[in-house]
Parts: sequence; structure tokens; C-alpha cells
Amino acid sequence: DAGITQSPRHKVTETGTPVTLRCHQTENHRYMYWYRQDPGHGLRLIHYSYGVKDTDKGEVSDGYSVSRSKTEDFLLTLESATSSQTSVYFCAISGGTDTQYFGPGTRLTVL
Amino acid sequence: SQQGEEDPQALSIQEGENATMNCSYKTSINNLQWYRQNSGRGLVHLILIRSNEREKHSGRLRVTLDTSKKSSSLLITASRAADTASYFCADSGGYNKLIFGAGTRLAVHP
Repeated sequence: DAGITQSPRHKVTETGTPVTLRCHQTENHRYMYWYRQDPGHGLRLIHYSYGVKDTDKGEVSDGYSVSRSKTEDFLLTLESATSSQTSVYFCAISGGTDTQYFGPGTRLTVL
Repeated sequence: SQQGEEDPQALSIQEGENATMNCSYKTSINNLQWYRQNSGRGLVHLILIRSNEREKHSGRLRVTLDTSKKSSSLLITASRAADTASYFCADSGGYNKLIFGAGTRLAVHP
């Protein structure tokens, strides 16, 4: 299995609070991605990174920001969580091929 | 918007039977990939078929690609209970980004 971890694995928070999810990899892969998964929608790309400090928006980026200060860590921040951001969040990494390797996911509940 | 649309949304079969899932996409593809997701887990890459390939095999998996019909199919032969999972097709674009379909839920009964 690719060395990719996510923390926390579960989180319950209240509307309006900031939340940061962390993705950590030990594979030295260049590309990192954040997806959210909701019933009936498959996985949708939130943000991605193509290098340290190089990030861009995905399909559903509103309400989310990201940062990547070093190769191994990619942070996803919800500045002010809303109930519509209740979801399962997956981080993925990719090296020189098209294949992506996924983390175990973070289940976020916003009350 | 989703690039791929899987069909059927759900499939229930007995062990030993073959399972076929289809993926249709809206625009031209680059490299079509199939992933599996066990309940509550992350996705696992199964197989990739490039736009200039028509068929590819990996163990009990067979993937076909028909660019004229903008469709791909995943065949799992001699299904096992352990194949119970959701299966997703995805197209890869710039920066290796993936655009997923909504997936097919496969249930294989012993």
C-alpha cells in the first residue's frame, strides 16, 4: 500500500467553526489531491497540488482552501464549516503515472 | 460535472458468475481507469486503458474501450464474495486529475 495517511479519521464539528484535515505521504509523489465523496456523486475533486506551494482549484472548491508547504503534507481547510460540507474526504497522491493512490478517508460531520 | 457514468448503478450476482459494468463518457478520453472501493475504505486502482487501446486484461479483469461509442466495460470473471464493492471509472486529465463517475455497487452472494 502506498504510504498515505489522513488525520483525523473522524471529526464532528459545529457550523461556523474552522476545520483542517491533513494528508501525509511518504512516497515523495509530486501530485496530491483532495476529493469529497457523497452518496450518488462518486468522488469530486476539491483542490489539487502539482508541487510545493503549487495548488489549483477542482470542481467543488468553494468554501475550501489548501496549502502545501512541503512535499509530504497537503492540508485542506474549511474556513467556516457548513452542514453541506458533511462528507467523506479522501486524499490521493500520484507520481509519474496516471494512477492515483488513495488514503483511508476522513469522515466529517458538521452539525 | 462527471465525465463517466456507470451502468448499472447496482448489480447483484451469485459467486462464480461474471459481472459486467459499463461506463459511458461525454467527451474524448485520455486514459480511462477503473477503481474499486470496499465499504468505508479508500479507492484502489484496478486497471488503466489508454485511448489507443481496445482491450486489456489483468487477472480476472477484462476492460474494453470503444472510443466511437464513448464507452468502456469492466468484466470480472468468476466473481467471488470478496469482489463485493463499488466500482468507479475515471478519466485522467492534466496533472493526473481524475474525473469519476457515480459508480456501480456490486454485491456477490455466496
